[in-house]
Amino acid sequence: SQQGEEDPQALSIQEGENATMNCSYKTSINNLQWYRQNSGRGLVHLILIRSNEREKHSGRLRVTLDTSKKSSSLLITASRAADTASYFCATLGQEGKLIFGQGTELSVKP
Amino acid sequence: DVKVTQSSRYLVKRTGEKVFLECVQDMDHENMFWYRQDPGLGLRLIYFSYDVKMKEKGDIPEGYSVSREKKERFSLILESASTNQTSMYLCASSPIFGTSGGGETQYFGPGTRLLVL
Repeated sequence: SQQGEEDPQALSIQEGENATMNCSYKTSINNLQWYRQNSGRGLVHLILIRSNEREKHSGRLRVTLDTSKKSSSLLITASRAADTASYFCATLGQEGKLIFGQGTELSVKP
Repeated sequence: DVKVTQSSRYLVKRTGEKVFLECVQDMDHENMFWYRQDPGLGLRLIYFSYDVKMKEKGDIPEGYSVSREKKERFSLILESASTNQTSMYLCASSPIFGTSGGGETQYFGPGTRLLVL
């Protein structure tokens, strides 16, 4: 069963703009992770935030986690055409299973 | 660098054939996983294994079986392939749960795109 739900399902922006994607989940988690996938390719791990963390930065990525609302957001600043991809959130439950959402398709136009 | 490799990038099989998808990891990870990915459905867990000769069903195990005879190798088997098993199959591995203070993550292979005719 799907745990993470991304919002929006698709996002189209201009190069240089910021992109924000949201993820909601249902059960308690150990951590939440964001992955990126280019069309037809494997998954690339972007960033992980632990359940006791509220915000994390990595380069142009900023992730927030609100465990009271069971939600997370991924912000990509100063987007580039090369950021065009699908982005997935995944939650790691207490039993160690990773459950993925359906993803947000980001399109960054040059 | 963790390496997770899958035996084939693309595979075309006929209905009823037995299909083996192999996955090998080189980081001595205890945990290994098989997912399938379909448009609109995201990634779904088929089977996973926490140790050699150990396997557990994921969310959609029907029509699949697995084998873990060696720690580094986890095989997904389609006993009699059907057209609804056409999909992208992703293998992943991770270290034992609970050893990274909450920082556990999975490392994915490049995927095998399977077409069943």
